[in-house]
Amino acid sequence: GAVVSQHPSRVICKSGTSVKIECRSLDFQATTMFWYRQFPKQSLMLMATSNEGSKATYEQGVEKDKFLINHASLTLSTLTVTSAHPEDSSFYICSAHSGGSSTDTQYFGPGTRLTVL
Amino acid sequence: EDKVVQSPLSLVVHEGDTVTLNCSYEVTNFRSLLWYKQEKKAPTFLFMLTSSGIEKKSGRLSSILDKKELFSILNITATQTGDSAIYLCALVNSNSGYALNFGKGTSLLVTP
Repeated sequence: GAVVSQHPSRVICKSGTSVKIECRSLDFQATTMFWYRQFPKQSLMLMATSNEGSKATYEQGVEKDKFLINHASLTLSTLTVTSAHPEDSSFYICSAHSGGSSTDTQYFGPGTRLTVL
Repeated sequence: EDKVVQSPLSLVVHEGDTVTLNCSYEVTNFRSLLWYKQEKKAPTFLFMLTSSGIEKKSGRLSSILDKKELFSILNITATQTGDSAIYLCALVNSNSGYALNFGKGTSLLVTP
């Protein structure tokens, strides 16, 4: 299957700082990328949908000014957690869709474990 | 509001057993249902189902969809300890682009 990378895999930061997470599709062009977060023992919750060259669409309850998403190219999307607080500590996972109506399969990155002290 | 309900939430079996995981759903505009396996990190894709009654098979895993009764099952035969993982069912609504709506998952533990 297609490969999606995420960087960093783990980050620890102080409260009030900003953290940027990168998501790259390595062997295909991703017209759409998705950002999810997962709390311990819970399922993945969609945060936002990111289309290349346009503004991200955020799910209800997700603050767009806090979770900045940039999808500057067909292979890269970034999520910046601004002014992070301990409650933002979570597992953040991106996924990429190659486009086209023939498949709904998304390929997931390995995730980023964010810990805010 | 769309719903995805998985059962059981957790399951412990012995190696060699066969397991059936369930996923029922409610959706306004069904497009597809997907199964993923999640071990320590991100989910890995197993199956995508769009049509009723057509079994998808990959090795010891198989899955089928019933669009009339609104459910899908994932079967694993001759389980191995490496099958221990969380199995996630996700729904795609035609009105939501390609976004995945996940169930809570079934945590499977296969003991030696």
